[in-house]
Amino acid sequence: DQQVKQNSPSLSVQEGRISILNCDYTNSMFDYFLWYKKYPAEGPTFLISISSIKDKNEDGRFTVFLNKSAKHLSLHIVPSQPGDSAVYFCAALRLLGEYGNKLVFGAGTILRVKS
Amino acid sequence: DVKVTQSSRYLVKRTGEKVFLECVQDMDHENMFWYRQDPGLGLRLIYFSYDVKMKEKGDIPEGYSVSREKKERFSLILESASTNQTSMYLCASSTPTTNEKLFFGSGTQLSVL
Repeated sequence: DQQVKQNSPSLSVQEGRISILNCDYTNSMFDYFLWYKKYPAEGPTFLISISSIKDKNEDGRFTVFLNKSAKHLSLHIVPSQPGDSAVYFCAALRLLGEYGNKLVFGAGTILRVKS
Repeated sequence: DVKVTQSSRYLVKRTGEKVFLECVQDMDHENMFWYRQDPGLGLRLIYFSYDVKMKEKGDIPEGYSVSREKKERFSLILESASTNQTSMYLCASSTPTTNEKLFFGSGTQLSVL
């Protein structure tokens, strides 16, 4: 039962263009949505998040959009740079109290930015 | 900067062996987690701990146990390793006030032969 789905295993984009990574979720009870980036031989690193009560959050070249009615979020990277080439994981967080918060990850999308 | 250190980058073990994966964090984080990463499945939570000596099962705890005797150290134990436990294992930590921001170690690639 995959609650968070990233249907595109990979994406290839030209340097300077926009990269759009997509993510769908099934559970309306999630409180936050997050994106993590992972380079080979390194652990994932937090990139950007959005509260479920917002529809957009921007941080430099990275913007996350949330469409609650469609249960869909997307990460936009503008402009894309070769250093952005990595695996991007979408994740959803449900706050269950002081203990036991649940973070669910998608399968990941490999982004390749060509120079 | 937060540092989460996993003791081994690569491990090769035999079926039936008891395997210990160690993780240490240096930021006094209350929460610690063990995930495994498999192609096409993303990261799946095995166990987590929100305090010393406390542990909670994640989504796939079968075949694993954990130990947290000190705040900075969280160990994952494979009681009797099996080939389907071949995977990349990732340790992470966080604080209760920033639950969404997990800090990950570099991972341990475990091969069970």
